[in-house]
Amino acid sequence: AQRVTQPEKLLSVFKGAPVELKCNYSYSGSPELFWYVQYSRQRLQLLLRHISRESIKGFTADLNKGETSFHLKKPFAQEEDSAMYYCALNSGSGYALNFGKGTSLLVTP
Amino acid sequence: DAGVTQSPTHLIKTRGQHVTLRCSPISGHKSVSWYQQVLGQGPQFIFQYYEKEERGRGNFPDRFSARQFPNYSSELNVNALLLGDSALYLCASSLGGQSNQPQHFGDGTRLSIL
Repeated sequence: AQRVTQPEKLLSVFKGAPVELKCNYSYSGSPELFWYVQYSRQRLQLLLRHISRESIKGFTADLNKGETSFHLKKPFAQEEDSAMYYCALNSGSGYALNFGKGTSLLVTP
Repeated sequence: DAGVTQSPTHLIKTRGQHVTLRCSPISGHKSVSWYQQVLGQGPQFIFQYYEKEERGRGNFPDRFSARQFPNYSSELNVNALLLGDSALYLCASSLGGQSNQPQHFGDGTRLSIL
């Protein structure tokens, strides 16, 4: 069965500190992994996907198949990064995104 | 481009009633997916439609149904509403049905069951 686990419900860091939001998945095949973000009073939006290997708003995420992880990282957190972050897996069938429960990131000055 | 639009924004129903939620995808997108998000949880997949055909269904009872129209807009119908159906219902569209294509979400419809 496919599963996405985000172990931290809430993560609080100081501005300028590094941040890592954890995501682990269970899937036997080759997954497509995404990070979605929801800022206050805004809709859920795509932050990045592993296939793109890109950095968005300073965030990166590397797929580690050995550890079945897709952690989201940023070296220096900003207050505007405060939001709800969801890790999501697409099994390759094309039609279903499996979401984790989300991690609320709070960046304080 | 207005993005994915959903209507209504909020809806209050009582147990046993039925409800229809509507979604218009981004122009050019042919795939529409529906998700249910209860408080404190991530979105949970309900349906995906591509080119007006159902491509996938999540673990939801038959009270939930959906369809996609020739203009690629979609409706989600829920019959015999239960208190547990209270949730935010999200619609997402993508260009096609490939797994590596990002899904773009609407603001959702907040459904409350009394």
